Amino acid sequence: KQEVTQIPAALSVPEGENLVLNCSFTDSAIYNLQWFRQDPGKGLTSLLLIQSSQREQTSGRLNASLDKSSGRSTLYIAASQPGDSATYLCAVRDNYGQNFVFGPGTRLSVLP
Amino acid sequence: EAQVTQNPRYLITVTGKKLTVTCSQNMNHEYMSWYRQDPGLGLRQIYYSMNVEVTDKGDVPEGYKVSRKEKRNFPLILESPSPNQTSLYFCASSSKTEDRGLYEQYFGPGTRLTVT
Repeated sequence: KQEVTQIPAALSVPEGENLVLNCSFTDSAIYNLQWFRQDPGKGLTSLLLIQSSQREQTSGRLNASLDKSSGRSTLYIAASQPGDSATYLCAVRDNYGQNFVFGPGTRLSVLP
Repeated sequence: EAQVTQNPRYLITVTGKKLTVTCSQNMNHEYMSWYRQDPGLGLRQIYYSMNVEVTDKGDVPEGYKVSRKEKRNFPLILESPSPNQTSLYFCASSSKTEDRGLYEQYFGPGTRLTVT
């Protein structure tokens, strides 16, 4: 059964720092991987989607990479801002069905 | 505006009183799903639907029912709610889009359910 983990569980950084969030999954037979942002008490906002055949995706200050063979993805945030403070979730869709498995999230605080 | 809507956003009910949480999307997506989010357990899939009249169980389907009679709607039904179903519920939809990527999921704003 697919399991997704995220490290660290929480992260606090000063404004302006570049940072990396990690996501690991146990079964490499994935269809795609998606990174989300969730603000407290709110829904999920899609940040980046990487297909299994891709190595990375970029959107503005965000860059997500995927190494399917090792079961890892990273989300790189450049020049962090207080507005980036949120919980970041990764999720994988597997090849066997339409299950979508989420990691527990990384809670990010960017201090002014 | 492309969106997924859920109603109600907040609901407090009592054990055993049947309830329905509605979900609707205006993007003509084939795939829809329901999740619950609990502290320490993260987001877990309850049910999903590949298309009209096609539904399947996710990881935590016990105590829930769904139906997909129309493409845009995917209601979640709790026939006899219990306190352990107190949670934050999310509906999501996705479709195969060549420009944005295959099966990118879009989420509703969430429904906070409390069962006493």
